[in-house]
Amino acid sequence: NAGVTQTPKFQVLKTGQSMTLQCAQDMNHEYMSWYRQDPGMGLRLIHYSVGAGITDQGEVPNGYNVSRSTTEDFPLRLLSAAPSQTSVYFCASSYGRDNEQFFGPGTRLTVL
Amino acid sequence: ELKVEQNPLFLSMQEGKNYTIYCNYSTTSDRLYWYRQDPGKSLESLFVLLSNGAVKQEGRLMASLDTKARLSTLHITAAVHDLSATYFCAVDGWGAQKLVFGQGTRLTINP
Repeated sequence: NAGVTQTPKFQVLKTGQSMTLQCAQDMNHEYMSWYRQDPGMGLRLIHYSVGAGITDQGEVPNGYNVSRSTTEDFPLRLLSAAPSQTSVYFCASSYGRDNEQFFGPGTRLTVL
Repeated sequence: ELKVEQNPLFLSMQEGKNYTIYCNYSTTSDRLYWYRQDPGKSLESLFVLLSNGAVKQEGRLMASLDTKARLSTLHITAAVHDLSATYFCAVDGWGAQKLVFGQGTRLTINP
């Protein structure tokens, strides 16, 4: 199993550009989540999904969209990048709410 | 609004000593998670605590949950250098693993 994979590992954007961060898992997990990690602030939940076709907002959803058309994939879209979105983004998945989350390796995003 | 606070935020200790990291949260929950993060790396799950009084142990780490006090502890016994990392707790306040994380505790263990 590859586990949770994320692409790209690094990305630099200009303000106003859009892009999609990819996340995939091969463990047949129903639950998937996107977090951002900023220095000194821990992780904050952006969006999450409890199954294909079902998504909901987390703590900091503004400026981001998600969709879950398959169990395996959970892409995160930045609609119009802003410097405040400079962060490290982690995707995570789990079997369910009583189970441990497995995290991907992260994407380091810089918005100029 | 669910708030999760860890203390201490920074901890420097000697090998062989014992210490405890505290995780307090502000609203009712019976699901709490502990993670470890090494510098520049991703997060690794340590423990999932699912009920009041839950206790789990792995090696030199032991975690417990008191839902009435809204408190979880991560106890380190006879610390070794390899345990140096940042430790996060996270609370599921709404179900569906909609987690709120603490700020993290950066632990440094000196020989």
